[in-house]
Amino acid sequence: DAKTTQPNSMESNEEEPVHLPCNHSTISGTDYIHWYRQLPSQGPEYVIHGLTSNVNNRMASLAIAEDRKSSTLILHRATLRDAAVYYCILRAHGSNTGKLIFGQGTTLQVKP
Amino acid sequence: DVKVTQSSRYLVKRTGEKVFLECVQDMDHENMFWYRQDPGLGLRLIYFSYDVKMKEKGDIPEGYSVSREKKERFSLILESASTNQTSMYLCASSLQGLSNQPQHFGDGTRLSIL
Repeated sequence: DAKTTQPNSMESNEEEPVHLPCNHSTISGTDYIHWYRQLPSQGPEYVIHGLTSNVNNRMASLAIAEDRKSSTLILHRATLRDAAVYYCILRAHGSNTGKLIFGQGTTLQVKP
Repeated sequence: DVKVTQSSRYLVKRTGEKVFLECVQDMDHENMFWYRQDPGLGLRLIYFSYDVKMKEKGDIPEGYSVSREKKERFSLILESASTNQTSMYLCASSLQGLSNQPQHFGDGTRLSIL
């Protein structure tokens, strides 16, 4: 699977939007972009995924650059419960294991 | 919402014991996975299963086995526990379609081998 690069940490204020960037310059044309997060002492939680077009769901939005070499996870109004490690993952189409490869992720701190 | 339930949050066992970790999902998912998570090493896939009675090795299957007798249940077995198997164990499930289906995780079992 292609590599992703994320900032180690970010801070946000409560109720403000948060933009979490991810670079994936070696992405192939059929790689899906997935985002997960992991709250302290919990298992990872799926957030959102996309291929080429921007995506929205009840948790977040995913903005994908036109060349697909980067993407941004957008939390529209951060809450204290959004404090977690956020992982950007590329998943190869036709993968024969489906395994998730988590990098170091971005630790998001949310200040009241 | 999908629910993946792992039988224990915390477990302490002794070296040489046979250890069973149980995982149940309630969404009729075809795929189920066992990972371990260690600081600095991220998630590593131990085994996965894409159907009842089917199993495939992941990246680190040594010292482990699995059982999937029913679609909703996927068990991880440590045949003879060793201290280097002290870790957080995570079970996940997903629909068919290995590359684009999200995986839903349980809360993990923190296993300590003494």
